[in-house]
Amino acid sequence: AQSVTQLGSHVSVSEGALVLLRCNYSSSVPPYLFWYVQYPNQGLQLLLKYTTGATLVKGINGFEAEFKKSETSFHLTKPSAHMSDAAEYFCAVSEKYSGGGADGLTFGKGTHLIIQP
Amino acid sequence: NAGVTQTPKFQVLKTGQSMTLQCAQDMNHEYMSWYRQDPGMGLRLIHYSVGAGITDQGEVPNGYNVSRSTTEDFPLRLLSAAPSQTSVYFCASRFDRGSNQPQHFGDGTRLSIL
Repeated sequence: AQSVTQLGSHVSVSEGALVLLRCNYSSSVPPYLFWYVQYPNQGLQLLLKYTTGATLVKGINGFEAEFKKSETSFHLTKPSAHMSDAAEYFCAVSEKYSGGGADGLTFGKGTHLIIQP
Repeated sequence: NAGVTQTPKFQVLKTGQSMTLQCAQDMNHEYMSWYRQDPGMGLRLIHYSVGAGITDQGEVPNGYNVSRSTTEDFPLRLLSAAPSQTSVYFCASRFDRGSNQPQHFGDGTRLSIL
């Protein structure tokens, strides 16, 4: 069974500083990987995804993530934090469905990003 | 294109009451699911459906029922509300299970059980 670990339930950075949100997964097969963002009182929105091909993926709002198979990681970064980036971020992993009763998508518990002025 | 629409956005119930949370999607997605979100717990899967007429339990199904009579609609029923069901509920849809396509989420229903 796959699992997703997001290191740090809260991450605080200064405005203009580098944002790094960590995501590690366990999967028996190469997975599909997603980052979602949730702003207060809203649903989850897709930031970016990795399916195949280039391991560095660019998303919306200046975010990017790199799939590192050897490290089973998919960390999210942004070079310069903005106040509007304050939100909850979720990493998610999906395996190609191969039968069985389980849902194919697993979410991490989320990281709350705090931006200090 | 409305995406995933959830109603109501907010609801307060008394213990023991029943209610239905509505969810509709207009993307012709086969796979739909319900999650609850609680502080520090992330998203937990309640029930899911891989197509009309097919539903199955997720991680935390107790106290909830679902049905899927059409591709578009996937209502979640609370049979007898309990304070432990106070949460934010999200409906989501996806092209299919195990897909490389992302989930699309509704804006959530904030439910309080007194």
